Amino acid sequence: GAVVSQHPSWVICKSGTSVKIECRSLDFQATTMFWYRQFPKQSLMLMATSNEGSKATYEQGVEKDKFLINHASLTLSTLTVTSAHPEDSSFYICSAHHRDRKTNEQFFGPGTRLTVL
Amino acid sequence: AQKITQTQPGMFVQEKEAVTLDCTYDTSDQSYGLFWYKQPSSGEMIFLIYQGSYDEQNATEGRYSLNFQKARKSANLVISASQLGDSAMYFCAMRVQGAQKLVFGQGTRLTINP
Repeated sequence: GAVVSQHPSWVICKSGTSVKIECRSLDFQATTMFWYRQFPKQSLMLMATSNEGSKATYEQGVEKDKFLINHASLTLSTLTVTSAHPEDSSFYICSAHHRDRKTNEQFFGPGTRLTVL
Repeated sequence: AQKITQTQPGMFVQEKEAVTLDCTYDTSDQSYGLFWYKQPSSGEMIFLIYQGSYDEQNATEGRYSLNFQKARKSANLVISASQLGDSAMYFCAMRVQGAQKLVFGQGTRLTINP
């Protein structure tokens, strides 16, 4: 159990377009999901915390109008990169908080590689 | 503020040897959790092991064990009998009480040589 999926796994888009990335918890409910960004050979940087039914909490320096997060159900959160530019090219990873697990560990999706031309 | 430090950018180990990956942390909270994740070249983050700040015994999960030294604020990962498939990036992370988000270290790239 505790599987998280992401779709798409990779996407290439033109500069100025918007891209939506989906994160789903397949076999458990996740009231909280997290969105991370990872540049090559670097660590994961938390972008925002997504709470079901409420507004996302963004980390300092992350533009909330550029990275739109919607957590419409207990199993789905979406990240939309609006008006994407080449500097937005990165590996985006989501995770879901499994509230019933003792360790409260997060389970990660496989990631989405975004390339903006 | 919470901080995780991994001082080893890269490690090279012979197959079947044991390896220790270092992790130190900084927090003023009394209740926190420490995690280790493995990230292969495919990019997925694989949960390895967890240690709670109040756990009296070091956590173990198969070939993985966590050497938790609270006074030193260190949480080193020990992998016994390393295998070629252990080659990956390894991240140490911390979660503090009241917050669900994780703070990650810079990572250590482990390479297992045959």
